[in-house]
Amino acid sequence: DTAVSQTPKYLVTQMGNDKSIKCEQNLGHDTMYWYKQDSKKFLKIMFSYNNKELIINETVPNRFSPKSPDKAHLNLHINSLELGDSAVYFCASSPAGEAYEQYFGPGTRLTVT
Amino acid sequence: ILNVEQSPQSLHVQEGDSTNFTCSFPSSNFYALHWYRWETAKSPEALFVMTLNGDEKKKGRISATLNTKEGYSYLYIKGSQPEDSATYLCAFPGGATNKLIFGTGTLLAVQP
Repeated sequence: DTAVSQTPKYLVTQMGNDKSIKCEQNLGHDTMYWYKQDSKKFLKIMFSYNNKELIINETVPNRFSPKSPDKAHLNLHINSLELGDSAVYFCASSPAGEAYEQYFGPGTRLTVT
Repeated sequence: ILNVEQSPQSLHVQEGDSTNFTCSFPSSNFYALHWYRWETAKSPEALFVMTLNGDEKKKGRISATLNTKEGYSYLYIKGSQPEDSATYLCAFPGGATNKLIFGTGTLLAVQP
């Protein structure tokens, strides 16, 4: 059973399109996250939700909008895609609190052409 | 700006060598220090979460120590194997929201 799953794994799309990436966790965790792996392979937090409530919203263009329909799901919707949005996006989950390890999904490689 | 620094940036060792890397983090307002292992084309996988000064954790041939007063943690790998080849990341909860701030990692390559 996959603990944290993301779909799709690969996404190739054109500039200006709107796309969504879905994330689901079956670990019963309260907190979910979206990270972006940038061109230097650096992992940076974008958003975090705790029990469907947004708790971290980093300096991310407002073309990126997370949605959490329930605590097991955290989706990422991106409007008007730009070339610079090309990256690998990772979803993660953990119990609430800083002392708990995070469980990462397999990543979604987004390529904007 | 909160910074998590890791050294060295990369390391090449022979199979059977023991090795270690360093993670430096701000020593004030300490909550926890995370270590993750990230194999190429996979996702990061947690190794340890350390919370107490002087803490030492072990998982097989991998162990880690923590010094919260001086702001550093060491990760040790005993008898490196080719399957240990990966990027080792440390991360520190920081800032107003205690988001995880990741270091840039140490890339370990173990030659058979």
